[in-house]
Amino acid sequence: NAGVTQTPKFRVLKTGQSMTLLCAQDMNHEYMYWYRQDPGMGLRLIHYSVGEGTTAKGEVPDGYNVSRLKKQNFLLGLESAAPSQTSVYFCASTDGGFTTLSYGYTFGSGTRLTVV
Amino acid sequence: SQQGEEDPQALSIQEGENATMNCSYKTSINNLQWYRQNSGRGLVHLILIRSNEREKHSGRLRVTLDTSKKSSSLLITASRAADTASYFCATYLNTGKLIFGQGTTLQVKP
Repeated sequence: NAGVTQTPKFRVLKTGQSMTLLCAQDMNHEYMYWYRQDPGMGLRLIHYSVGEGTTAKGEVPDGYNVSRLKKQNFLLGLESAAPSQTSVYFCASTDGGFTTLSYGYTFGSGTRLTVV
Repeated sequence: SQQGEEDPQALSIQEGENATMNCSYKTSINNLQWYRQNSGRGLVHLILIRSNEREKHSGRLRVTLDTSKKSSSLLITASRAADTASYFCATYLNTGKLIFGQGTTLQVKP
């Protein structure tokens, strides 16, 4: 089924551990985004990419790294997890053109991360 | 601080009533989008309005945009219990960023 797939859906990490969240889309979209959602804060942009091989910082990039080696995948890495990174993480994608104007962004179902 | 600010933060109405949510933003935008999020789920795109448009309709949704005031509103007419969700405005900047507001939680009572 076409869409945005996030793995894993749930994860518990210990402080200081590292992990990578994977976002995969099969819609040939150019633009991909990582957000975090905390209670009462809405969604905050962590990093984004406007094409394969490119990445850019969002509103809250500290403590995260990203890579976009393949057009369909956008990886979000936590090198040394902290309790402040406990959140729900959402990935989104769009083509930046006609599809965006008609259908907006497509979001994944989220990854719930707890850092203890 | 975030680009978008939404008002009210929470709204409770009876089924059949209209619901209005407002969004204000700070910088120039390419377009403004509204999304719905049901509890524990991902976001679903509702409607997009370009910076050169003033009003747009989609079913029971009506969106207005006033770029001089840097504000937008979302009107849901004849609300249903199934409309209970959080609603977010998001501004698309020419840099490629999509920045979200904090959202309005809507409860529609049957």
